[in-house]
Amino acid sequence: GQQLNQSPQSMFIQEGEDVSMNCTSSSIFNTWLWYKQDPGEGPVLLIALYKAGELTSNGRLTAQFGITRKDSFLNISASIPSDVGIYFCAGPSFLGNEKLTFGTGTRLTIIP
Amino acid sequence: GAGVSQSPSNKVTEKGKDVELRCDPISGHTALYWYRQSLGQGLEFLIYFQGNSAPDKSGLPSDRFSAERTGGSVSTLTIQRTQQEDSAVYLCASSIITSNYGYTFGSGTRLTVV
Repeated sequence: GQQLNQSPQSMFIQEGEDVSMNCTSSSIFNTWLWYKQDPGEGPVLLIALYKAGELTSNGRLTAQFGITRKDSFLNISASIPSDVGIYFCAGPSFLGNEKLTFGTGTRLTIIP
Repeated sequence: GAGVSQSPSNKVTEKGKDVELRCDPISGHTALYWYRQSLGQGLEFLIYFQGNSAPDKSGLPSDRFSAERTGGSVSTLTIQRTQQEDSAVYLCASSIITSNYGYTFGSGTRLTVV
């Protein structure tokens, strides 16, 4: 079945640093989504990408849909304390377009 | 309400007991999803409801799991004869089906089976 592999699994950074994380798949995706999950909450959609090569920004966040359609990247510039959380990539499941396959997540921690 | 509401927020149950988890989606959202998040893992699809269509149950891990959606709104996920491996956060999401995967998730129910 489809799998989404995220790296790194966890990151420990200082406030103000830039962050990069990625998501790869063995199969092609036509849509890439990035979600953030705060502790004790459900994931919230950050950015959606619908076309290969697409580069989309949302404030300090920038995400790219890889040209091969098998990967995506999320960058966070000038990190702040509220960026702490788990970041998930997701894409439509081969089981049906309405369902999403989620990656295992990248946990971001900011060191004081 | 303004968001997806799930109850209870936490549930501790003894192995072998049945549990019911409730999800109240955003009014007007025709699609409703249940996902499971085990510790340190991503989200695992369980079941999907869309309008009056038959639900997609392809993600349910065993016949101990079932779900229903009454009147196209509130949904209940039932786990019978709970096992310790059922311990996880159960997340519900709803969407307007044409919203290009713009799910809105609830805060989840954390289930602990002891």
